[in-house]
Amino acid sequence: KNQVEQSPQSLIILEGKNCTLQCNYTVSPFSNLRWYKQDTGRGPVSLTIMTFSENTKSNGRYTATLDADTKQSSLHITASQLSDSASYICVVRASSGTYKYIFGTGTRLKVLA
Amino acid sequence: EAQVTQNPRYLITVTGKKLTVTCSQNMNHEYMSWYRQDPGLGLRQIYYSMNVEVTDKGDVPEGYKVSRKEKRNFPLILESPSPNQTSLYFCASSPQGAVTGYTFGSGTRLTVV
Repeated sequence: KNQVEQSPQSLIILEGKNCTLQCNYTVSPFSNLRWYKQDTGRGPVSLTIMTFSENTKSNGRYTATLDADTKQSSLHITASQLSDSASYICVVRASSGTYKYIFGTGTRLKVLA
Repeated sequence: EAQVTQNPRYLITVTGKKLTVTCSQNMNHEYMSWYRQDPGLGLRQIYYSMNVEVTDKGDVPEGYKVSRKEKRNFPLILESPSPNQTSLYFCASSPQGAVTGYTFGSGTRLTVV
C-alpha cells in the first residue's frame, strides 16, 4: 500500500534553533517528492521538489534530502524564524501513469520567541 | 499573477441545501483536483480532472460531484450536504509532465449544520 508517514507529528522549538523533519514513504514506483509549507487555514505552498536522482536540494534556509534506497526524506530548517511556524507536508508522486499524489499528514512546527 | 482562486473562503450552510464551491486557475493547467483536509487525516483527494470533460474519482468521492466544461474551471458540487462534509477544502492544479507539483487555492472552510 502506498503510504507517506511523517514524524514528529508536532514540534516546538525556540527562534534561531535548527530542526529536522522526517518523511518515510512506501510509494512505488517513485516519481518525485515534494515538501510543502502550509500556514494555518491557507493552501500549501511548495518548498522543494526532488526526483529520484537528487539527494539534496536547498531553498534558502530549507534543505531537503532524499535517500531513494531507504525511501526516506528529511527537511532541515536552519536558524528558525517565527514565520516558520506552520505545518510541513511531504507529498510523494507515483509514476504509475496517473496523477497520483500521496500526502503525509504533516508535521506541525511552532517556533517560539 | 498565476493563481488558483476558490470561492467562497467561508461557507456555513444547512443539511441538504445544495451548494457549489468554485475553482478557477489562470495558468492553463491541464490537471485539477479537489481535496478535503480534516484534523489528523491530512489532505484526501475527492475528485480530479486530467483535462476538459475528463474527471475521475479520488479517494473520498461520496457526496460530491464535479464538472470540467472549461479548462480553467473545476467546480465542486455538494448536492445534499451533510455535517460529515464539514471540512477545509482545497482546489489544486498542475501542468502535465513528470516533474510537476500543485498550485493550491487558499481554501474554503465549509460548515454544514
